[in-house]
Amino acid sequence: EDQVTQSPEALRLQEGESSSLNCSYTVSGLRGLFWYRQDPGKGPEFLFTLYSAGEEKEKERLKATLTKKESFLHITAPKPEDSATYLCAVQARENTNAGKSTFGDGTTLTVKP
Amino acid sequence: NAGVTQTPKFQVLKTGQSMTLQCAQDMNHNSMYWYRQDPGMGLRLIYYSASEGTTDKGEVPNGYNVSRLNKREFSLRLESAAPSQTSVYFCASSEDRGGYGYTFGSGTRLTVV
Repeated sequence: EDQVTQSPEALRLQEGESSSLNCSYTVSGLRGLFWYRQDPGKGPEFLFTLYSAGEEKEKERLKATLTKKESFLHITAPKPEDSATYLCAVQARENTNAGKSTFGDGTTLTVKP
Repeated sequence: NAGVTQTPKFQVLKTGQSMTLQCAQDMNHNSMYWYRQDPGMGLRLIYYSASEGTTDKGEVPNGYNVSRLNKREFSLRLESAAPSQTSVYFCASSEDRGGYGYTFGSGTRLTVV
């Protein structure tokens, strides 16, 4: 059974204070690892896909990295508008019938001005 | 704007009532999904459809049925609502059978009393 564990559950940062969110996963053959951002009362918004260990993706102040067991979402010099819940999800290679994703519970990031 | 449209946004049902949640996407995606999101339990897959004409059970299908009406539309039906089905329901779609991130709708907040 695929499993995704995210830590910490909540993270409070001062504006400009860089940090990282962790996503540990167990999957029988990784097809892809995904990061999403979710604002209160809205659906998750897709950020990145990582396919293999060593891969990195960047978008503005966010950088996602991947190893064989975990992924990190690094936030550099965050701003208050980066406050959101960040979700991690995995798809197993054996799910040939569809891109079923298993999600973690998320990390809620609050950035104070 | 292109995306996934869900209706209704809010609904209150009495125990035993039935209802259908509607979802439509205009991105020509093959795969569509229904998830529920509960505090502390993350997003859990109810049903999915890899392509038009096919549907499969996810992690928590009991009490639900789905219909892939055509390539655009994927509906979720609660035949006899129970308080345990109080949740936020998200529909999502993706480009192909796997390896792609999802586009989510804005969600339906359902309360069963």
